[in-house]
Amino acid sequence: KAGVTQTPRYLIKTRGQQVTLSCSPISGHRSVSWYQQTPGQGLQFLFEYFSETQRNKGNFPGRFSGRQFSNSRSEMNVSTLELGDSALYLCASSFGGRANEQYFGPGTRLTVT
Amino acid sequence: DAKTTQPNSMESNEEEPVHLPCNHSTISGTDYIHWYRQLPSQGPEYVIHGLTSNVNNRMASLAIAEDRKSSTLILHRATLRDAAVYYCILHTDKLIFGTGTRLQVFP
Repeated sequence: KAGVTQTPRYLIKTRGQQVTLSCSPISGHRSVSWYQQTPGQGLQFLFEYFSETQRNKGNFPGRFSGRQFSNSRSEMNVSTLELGDSALYLCASSFGGRANEQYFGPGTRLTVT
Repeated sequence: DAKTTQPNSMESNEEEPVHLPCNHSTISGTDYIHWYRQLPSQGPEYVIHGLTSNVNNRMASLAIAEDRKSSTLILHRATLRDAAVYYCILHTDKLIFGTGTRLQVFP
């Protein structure tokens, strides 16, 4: 079956702009989690959505938000972009819960100039 | 957040077994132990997970200590394609990645 897909794969934005990233999970998966990866901070958990509800949240400012649609597809939005937001943004899907593995997409590389 | 401790790096020769250790002394009874790996320029890839008993799958084996305060990921015969950063994570309703172990495999 098809894996997790993320669009776009690469993005260049200017400071102050906003950006929306999209994630399509594996069919049947209802949980989508988002992560930020930078060389300095490593992989950091942003938030998880399950059945259209945010179930868990990491330690990121309110500029980072997300949502999930009824078909489990998810979007992540970052407003008022800062240079430090330049990162690889990864999403992962699963059936949800601690006993289930997560499957990661290839990521969206965001560069803020 | 529950934390894990792993060596920064390890080396192995091709076709030899590799034992990657992980300490998680603060684990709670309902935390699952997950292992993921990340190859260069790719997203993390699921390897294996377990709760109390040892687990085997086509990729690796997971040995969990009786007190669950540590675990070991076992790659039975390392290949060059196994060179990656391996993350040991306690799944406490979310995956909190540490710095992982960078595994180098030499031909």
